Amino acid sequence: EIVLTQSPGTLSLSPGERATLSCRASQSVSSSYLAWYQQKPGQAPRLLIYGASSRATGIPNRFSGSGSGTDFTLTISRLEPEDFAVYYCQQYGSSPLFTFGPGTKVDIK
Amino acid sequence: QPQLLESGPGLVKPSETLSLTCTLSGGSISSGSYYWGCIRQPPGKGLEWIGSISYSGSTSYNPSLKSRVTISVDTSKNQFSLEVSSVTAADTAVYYCVRIRVATTSSYYFYMDVWGKGTTVTVSS
Repeated sequence: EIVLTQSPGTLSLSPGERATLSCRASQSVSSSYLAWYQQKPGQAPRLLIYGASSRATGIPNRFSGSGSGTDFTLTISRLEPEDFAVYYCQQYGSSPLFTFGPGTKVDIK
Repeated sequence: QPQLLESGPGLVKPSETLSLTCTLSGGSISSGSYYWGCIRQPPGKGLEWIGSISYSGSTSYNPSLKSRVTISVDTSKNQFSLEVSSVTAADTAVYYCVRIRVATTSSYYFYMDVWGKGTTVTVSS
């Protein structure tokens, strides 16, 4: 089983700052099979990034994804008020077929 | 825009079976580019994949739940359904229906691009 670890658990930042979120896998993950989601309180998760670096439809270009192998990063270049949320990475490929990281909460400093 | 709507009882008694139906609007569940799946999120916790199904009925389940889970598809109704048997309080969660993109014209991916709003299921007597 591939375990995803996200760090930090909580990131306290101010609007306008840059956010860098890490997702580390216990085994190599194909870049095609790594995605990122945003979840706000009381809402369903929303797809941000797929294939490690491709933005989903309608996602602002301040969101970017990078990485390969076991280390992946989600970067928010300049935080907007609506970006304060929990972010999850997800991988496909090893039993269980889909696993999620525990999440990183980005909150307002 | 495709949308998924979950429906089912919000309260289930321990040892009984949780049943959830996911109805797709604005698209066809028979598309070969997608699988269909269920995700759950216990209160205050993270996301857990329960299982997924193709339009042809091929299923995959989380090994941690496999013995208790069945996912089926009804293409005539544009629906898929989840059953979790022998539920306990640990099955209390928000349950989401998702569309899983599996292929584009150029590559294979496996990500969840459409989510239902979720339905809260509480297991309690």
